[in-house]
Amino acid sequence: KAGVTQTPRYLIKTRGQQVTLSCSPISGHRSVSWYQQTPGQGLQFLFEYFSETQRNKGNFPGRFSGRQFSNSRSEMNVSTLELGDSALYLCASKEPNTEAFFGQGTRLTVV
Amino acid sequence: GEDVEQSLFLSVREGDSSVINCTYTDSSSTYLYWYKQEPGAGLQLLTYIFSNMDMKQDQRLTVLLNKKDKHLSLRIADTQTGDSAIYFCAETRRYSSASKIIFGSGTRLSIRP
Repeated sequence: KAGVTQTPRYLIKTRGQQVTLSCSPISGHRSVSWYQQTPGQGLQFLFEYFSETQRNKGNFPGRFSGRQFSNSRSEMNVSTLELGDSALYLCASKEPNTEAFFGQGTRLTVV
Repeated sequence: GEDVEQSLFLSVREGDSSVINCTYTDSSSTYLYWYKQEPGAGLQLLTYIFSNMDMKQDQRLTVLLNKKDKHLSLRIADTQTGDSAIYFCAETRRYSSASKIIFGSGTRLSIRP
């Protein structure tokens, strides 16, 4: 069974641009969550999607958004990028009441 | 408080046991996790324990859970150089039908020869 796949692995963007990151969960998993990891703030929860519906959202500005498709793949979008958005973005895949598995992450650098 | 807390650094000699401690906050957490992160990599699920268990053993890994004190520990027996990494303790916090994982700040484990 394939693990959680995140693409791309690395991205460099300029301030003010927007970016879309993709996450394919483990086959059969319907829940996808996104986390941001930075040296200063550690691992912070962004949002959780389940069966195409956002169930939970962390304390991030509206520039951060996401969606989930009928095949459970999820995308997150960050608009009007700021330098502080530079981070490792991690996606987790699970079913209700099961353990969560993470992908390798997308490292975003904003210059 | 709101945070999952763990010490930042641990240094052990190769072959010794490593014990990483953590305190969590939500007594209703169902899953408590240990994740391992190597440089430049994502989070690898090492092990987890259900909140109704006291102990879980998996090869060199032993997880102990003290629900009364909300204390979780990870013991790595016969620590090897390949165990050098950052170890994150995490709890699942539930909100109605939704949930999110709350992470500690991570413990950097270094191995001395």
